[in-house]
Amino acid sequence: EPEVTQTPSHQVTQMGQEVILRCVPISNHLYFYWYRQILGQKVEFLVSFYNNEISEKSEIFDDQFSVERPDGSNFTLKIRSTKLEDSAMYFCAGSRREQETQYFGPGTRLLVL
Amino acid sequence: GENVEQHPSTLSVQEGDSAVIKCTYSDSASNYFPWYKQELGKRPQLIIDIRSNVGEKKDQRIAVTLNKTAKHFSLHITETQPEDSAVYFCAASTDISNFGNEKLTFGTGTRLTIIP
Repeated sequence: EPEVTQTPSHQVTQMGQEVILRCVPISNHLYFYWYRQILGQKVEFLVSFYNNEISEKSEIFDDQFSVERPDGSNFTLKIRSTKLEDSAMYFCAGSRREQETQYFGPGTRLLVL
Repeated sequence: GENVEQHPSTLSVQEGDSAVIKCTYSDSASNYFPWYKQELGKRPQLIIDIRSNVGEKKDQRIAVTLNKTAKHFSLHITETQPEDSAVYFCAASTDISNFGNEKLTFGTGTRLTIIP
């Protein structure tokens, strides 16, 4: 059964540095999402992406964040200048259609020092 | 926006007993309610979902009920087993399909422990 994959699994960075988190969605998925989960807390929506543009973004997804799908397969989340509070697990998710099951990747654990 | 409350935050049950986790939502337009199971350090995995056009759905030992009037939905696990131990998250979303806007709003999670 195909799965969403994410790289890297762990990333440690210095505050102020840029990070790019990568996701390879399931091939027939059309809707893509990024969520984050601060340790011990609930999963929070960041952004949804469809047809090569952002559908919706949360208030967490400020100007420091961006997403793109550069080559039709990878789906990336960029944080331009990381802050300590960006430390979290970041999950990519995808679905074939709206309101179909969202399949989550294994996550990237980001630690900002 | 949508707000999802989940109770209890922790739940311990004896193996073989039933476990019930409850969620309430605020947006009456929400119409899709999945439940995810997350084992330690792993990805959330869908275990069951329900749409607002039905009141109950069952899959083997797992069932979900939905009360649209009261805006609450519940997860029921019967004959619990040690492998059911995990954190369970409820979620809600609203179908605004014109915009592809089906983000999931998650509850705060329930840590379920099955006592052998």
